[in-house]
Amino acid sequence: GENVEQHPSTLSVQEGDSAVIKCTYSDSASNYFPWYKQELGKRPQLIIDIRSNVGEKKDQRIAVTLNKTAKHFSLHITETQPEDSAVYFCAASRSGNEKLTFGTGTRLTIIP
Amino acid sequence: DTEVTQTPKHLVMGMTNKKSLKCEQHMGHRAMYWYKQKAKKPPELMFVYSYEKLSINESVPSRFSPECPNSSLLNLHLHALQPEDSALYLCASSQVAITNTGELFFGEGSRLTVL
Repeated sequence: GENVEQHPSTLSVQEGDSAVIKCTYSDSASNYFPWYKQELGKRPQLIIDIRSNVGEKKDQRIAVTLNKTAKHFSLHITETQPEDSAVYFCAASRSGNEKLTFGTGTRLTIIP
Repeated sequence: DTEVTQTPKHLVMGMTNKKSLKCEQHMGHRAMYWYKQKAKKPPELMFVYSYEKLSINESVPSRFSPECPNSSLLNLHLHALQPEDSALYLCASSQVAITNTGELFFGEGSRLTVL
């Protein structure tokens, strides 16, 4: 089955700086890669996703890049703000499969 | 309505009790999921229902019994649980298979404590 590794497990960033979280996956057939944000005591919520036919996707301050050859994808957050503090999970899935395999999570703390 | 509603929010039960967790969505989604989340860990898939049929059971112990009475409702029946089953139980839904349509919509979860 799919295995998703995520680094770092914790990340502290000065407000206004950029944050990068990296994930690698094992199943070369995986073709859908979402990122979920979970604030303390709240539900996970999708913030951005990318499919394997695209190398990069951007939504305002958030971007995701995908390298299919190396089987890794990354989340980039620019101009970080205090409300970006949360746990971020990457995930991977393959076509027709309802199973989403999550990475281990990154606790991002934005220092004011 | 883009919400997945879970009840109860908190549940404390003894190891001999029988209880149920409930989940409801009115987005017309045809796939519904139960995830278990321990503190500081990612959500861990337990069950998937697709078009009201159980499509994935991740080798979950039989003390957890899922039920999908209709396309909007998902239950998780609990019986003879162990203290290590204490966790946040998250329900989620998606239009159909995740890779076809994207987003999983999660509920706020039911926090279960087994004494």
